[in-house]
Parts: sequence; structure tokens; C-alpha cells
Amino acid sequence: GQQLNQSPQSMFIQEGEDVSMNCTSSSIFNTWLWYKQEPGEGPVLLIALYKAGELTSNGRLTAQFGITRKDSFLNISASIPSDVGIYFCAGQLWYGGSQGNLIFGKGTKLSVKP
Amino acid sequence: ETGVTQTPRHLVMGMTNKKSLKCEQHLGHNAMYWYKQSAKKPLELMFVYSLEERVENNSVPSRFSPECPNSSHLFLHLHTLQPEDSALYLCASSQEGQGSNSPLHFGNGTRLTVT
Repeated sequence: GQQLNQSPQSMFIQEGEDVSMNCTSSSIFNTWLWYKQEPGEGPVLLIALYKAGELTSNGRLTAQFGITRKDSFLNISASIPSDVGIYFCAGQLWYGGSQGNLIFGKGTKLSVKP
Repeated sequence: ETGVTQTPRHLVMGMTNKKSLKCEQHLGHNAMYWYKQSAKKPLELMFVYSLEERVENNSVPSRFSPECPNSSHLFLHLHTLQPEDSALYLCASSQEGQGSNSPLHFGNGTRLTVT
């Protein structure tokens, strides 16, 4: 079945540093989503990407839909302590007008040292 | 406040118990989902309801039984669970339409422990 490889699995960074994480797949996707999950909460949508090559920002977060449609990255600039959490990528494929299931990566756990 | 509300937040049950998880969405969406989240594994889709009809059942054991009485409510009935069923169970909703779909909105989950 389709799988997403998300890396790195975890990151320990200093406050103020930039962060980069990515997801790759052996299959092509029509949609890439990035979610953040904080302890005790459900995943919250950060950025949605719908077109190959699309680059979208949300505050200090920037994500890109890879041109091959098999990968996506998420960057966080000037990290702050509240960026701590687990970041998930998710890919989705459309089959002739109907929606395929959302496939999730295993997550990148981000820790930020003040 | 989240648009998707799950109760209870925590549940401890024995293997012979019967319990139910409840999910309610206040977003006007027409599709609802149950996901299982276990440590170090990707989110696993369990069930999908679109317009109150079940459209997906990912080979989930029959000890999990979903119910969707209307487009705003979703239940997951549990009976004779196993310890390996301990996990965070997440409910989500989305708006499905021809040519466009909204991303999933998740609830905060029910942390289930089976003893």
C-alpha cells in the first residue's frame, strides 16, 4: 500500500533556529497537508497544498508541494517554545473525481530549548 | 473551542466491558471518520461515513462497531477489547464535494486503556 516516509523522526533545536522536515512517497499525490499535534490534543491543520510546485506560508511556517508530486517539505523559521509538538504530513490522491484516503506520515517530534 | 468534540477524554475498561466513544461535529460537515493513533505508527483510518453511510471499513475487528445516526454525530461501540487496542482514538470530519474536499478537522481524541 501507499506509505509516506517522514523525516526526521525527532528534532532537538535551540529557540530561534530554523527547522526543516519533509515527506516522501513512492506514489504521487494530488493534495499534501501538514498538521501539528500538541500533547493531549488532536492534530490541527497548518497548511494545505493542492498544486504541484505550490509554495504556501502561514506565519513563520512555509510548505511546498514537490514538483514530482511525491514529496513535500515544511519549514519553520525562528522557532519558539510553543512550536513544540509532533508535525504530521498527509497525502491524498484523487481517483477520477472521487477522493482517496488520506495517508499519514509517522510524524516529526519537535523539541525547542529556550 | 474545537469544532469536533469527543467524549470521554479518557477511558479505562476491562476486556469484558462494553463502552462507547462519542463524537460530535459543529462544522456542518457531511463526512466523519474514526482514526486510531498508536505510538510510533501512522494514523490508521478505521471507518468513514459520508452522508451517514459507511463508505470505508479498513478491516477493523468486529469488536469495534461504528454508528452514525446523523451527519453531526458519530459513535464507536467497543466490546471485548484486547490490551493492544489501547490507543488514542481520534474522530474527524470534513466536507466532501465534487471536485473539492475540505481537509480533515480532528477532535482531541479519547485516550483508551484496556486492562
